[in-house]
Amino acid sequence: QKEVEQNSGPLSVPEGAIASLNCTYSDRGSQSFFWYRQYSGKSPELIMFIYSNGDKEDGRFTAQLNKASQYVSLLIRDSQPSDSATYLCVVGDNFNKFYFGSGTKLNVKP
Amino acid sequence: EAGVAQSPRYKIIEKRQSVAFWCNPISGHATLYWYQQILGQGPKLLIQFQNNGVVDDSQLPKDRFSAERLKGVDSTLKIQPAKLEDSAVYLCASSRGGEGSNIQYFGAGTRLSVL
Repeated sequence: QKEVEQNSGPLSVPEGAIASLNCTYSDRGSQSFFWYRQYSGKSPELIMFIYSNGDKEDGRFTAQLNKASQYVSLLIRDSQPSDSATYLCVVGDNFNKFYFGSGTKLNVKP
Repeated sequence: EAGVAQSPRYKIIEKRQSVAFWCNPISGHATLYWYQQILGQGPKLLIQFQNNGVVDDSQLPKDRFSAERLKGVDSTLKIQPAKLEDSAVYLCASSRGGEGSNIQYFGAGTRLSVL
């Protein structure tokens, strides 16, 4: 069974701080890695995807991937109250199958 | 481009009744997924289609759930008869399919309440 593990939180950070969300996965053959944001009562929305080791930056968001350690993270700089949501770590294989973590709830306090 | 369309957005039924959900994926997306998301949990895959063929339905409760994608485009998911524990959000997603890495896009979901 391919597993994706996340700390369920809640992770509380003050407005303007850096939020760090972490995820580990069990399948070394995993090919693609995604972070989705899900507001309460809404469907998941793609924030970042990363395929190669290293960092990928998009605005205030940075995804980090370390395949050797089977670890992927999401950093949110200058956190805003509007970033308060549940963040889902999703890992994809080479057969268009996706494996979900249970999500980390982030609270950004004004 | 248009996103993944789902209907209805909300449905309330009594246990033992039947219900059907509809999904139209992004144009050109060969792979279609149905997920069940219970409050506080991550989505759980129910069934995955590649065009009109089933790739994975190992977690679909086949005694009560059925799904089809007859023409390889839109899809319906049916529950008959519904149980209280079926109360959840049913998410449809699609991806381009084919070899290599793909991005999965979600519809708005259907929130089902079974009373």
